[in-house]
Order: sequence, then C-alpha cells, then structure tokens
Amino acid sequence: DAKTTQPTSMDCAEGRAANLPCNHSTISGNEYVYWYRQIHSQGPQYIIHGLKNNETNEMASLIITEDRKSSTLILPHATLRDTAVYYCIVRSGGYQLIWGAGTKLIIKP
Amino acid sequence: GAVVSQHPSWVICKSGTSVKIECRSLDFQATTMFWYRQFPKQSLMLMATSNEGSKATYEQGVEKDKFLINHASLTLSTLTVTSAHPEDSSFYICSATMGLAFYEQYFGPGTRLTVT
Repeated sequence: DAKTTQPTSMDCAEGRAANLPCNHSTISGNEYVYWYRQIHSQGPQYIIHGLKNNETNEMASLIITEDRKSSTLILPHATLRDTAVYYCIVRSGGYQLIWGAGTKLIIKP
Repeated sequence: GAVVSQHPSWVICKSGTSVKIECRSLDFQATTMFWYRQFPKQSLMLMATSNEGSKATYEQGVEKDKFLINHASLTLSTLTVTSAHPEDSSFYICSATMGLAFYEQYFGPGTRLTVT
C-alpha cells in the first residue's frame, strides 16, 4: 500500500474551513484514499473516501488531484468539536488499515 | 448506524493478573473484528484480525499466547491480556466490519488498561 505524508499539526479558526492536505505520490490506480479522525481518547471515526473523483458527504469534502498524488480533506465550517487527529490512509483492498501519524487539527475559538 | 461497544471502558489491574476486554457489534453481525493498541501520542497499531469461528491472525511481533483473542460469535470478540505487566498499559481499540464494503469498519470507543 502507498505511504501517505501529512503535516504534524494545523490550527484553524472556528467557523472557517479547515483544509487538511495529504500526499500519496506512490498511489496506484486501484488504491482508494480514506480519511478517519480520532478525537482524544476515543475510537477512530470514518469521515470519507474516494478513488479519483471529488467526494462530499455531510461531514466533509474530499478533493483528489487529477494525478491522484495528493488530496485535501475540507471541513467547511469547523467547530471546536472537530479538534482531533485526522488520518489519511491509502488502501487497495482488504480490511486492514495502516495508520500513519496523522495531522493534529486544533480548532481555535 | 452500526455501533460497536467495548467493555470495560477503563481498567486498572495488578501486574501478573489477566484482563479480558469485550468488543460487541450491537446492531450488526461482524464477520471480521480487529484489535488495535495505541500508546500515548502514537498511532494505532494493528494487533490481530479475527474471523468468527476461526483462530485469530496476529501481526508480527504480537505474542499470541499473551494476547488471547476469541471470536466466538458474530457479535462478540474478546481480548484477554494474560499475565499483564506495566508495559502492557495502553489504549486498546477494536473494530468490526460486516464485510460488505471496505470502508465500513466501525470502531469501538476503546479500553484504557493500566497495569500497576
């Protein structure tokens, strides 16, 4: 599975859009990009996933570049409850998830 | 949505004793369950994968005789930490999947184990 690179931490003002980047330059054609988040001392929560088209759900939007080497998770109106560690994972199949260090997102009032 | 519970949410035990952690899928049948361990300020590390009715598959470096996993039904998997030591203190998280789609892996709230 392709490796991902994410910034260690980011800050965002409450009410603004939070844009979390992820690099996956070695991604192959059949690998999906998944995003999960983990609020402190809780289990991870699925956010969104995509292959090559941009995706949107009630939680977030996922923008994948045309060459698929990077993606951005967008939380359109961040709230204090969005403070968490966000994980970008690339996976082709099976159920195992390989977790990187993720990005610690801090939403500031 | 699919809910996974864990019990207990936290436990403190003495060194040398054994601790059992339960993972239940409350409103769906889980064909596969996963057990993760997470040390403070670190990412999740997969410990083992279990399928109902069969032996668990352990990741490299995880002692199967120390971390006993039983997946006796489609809604329950247990992790027993045998002869626990302080270095086993960690956050243990389970997840479960119905097997329909890869992203449908639902996580429990985690169990904080402290061994004194």
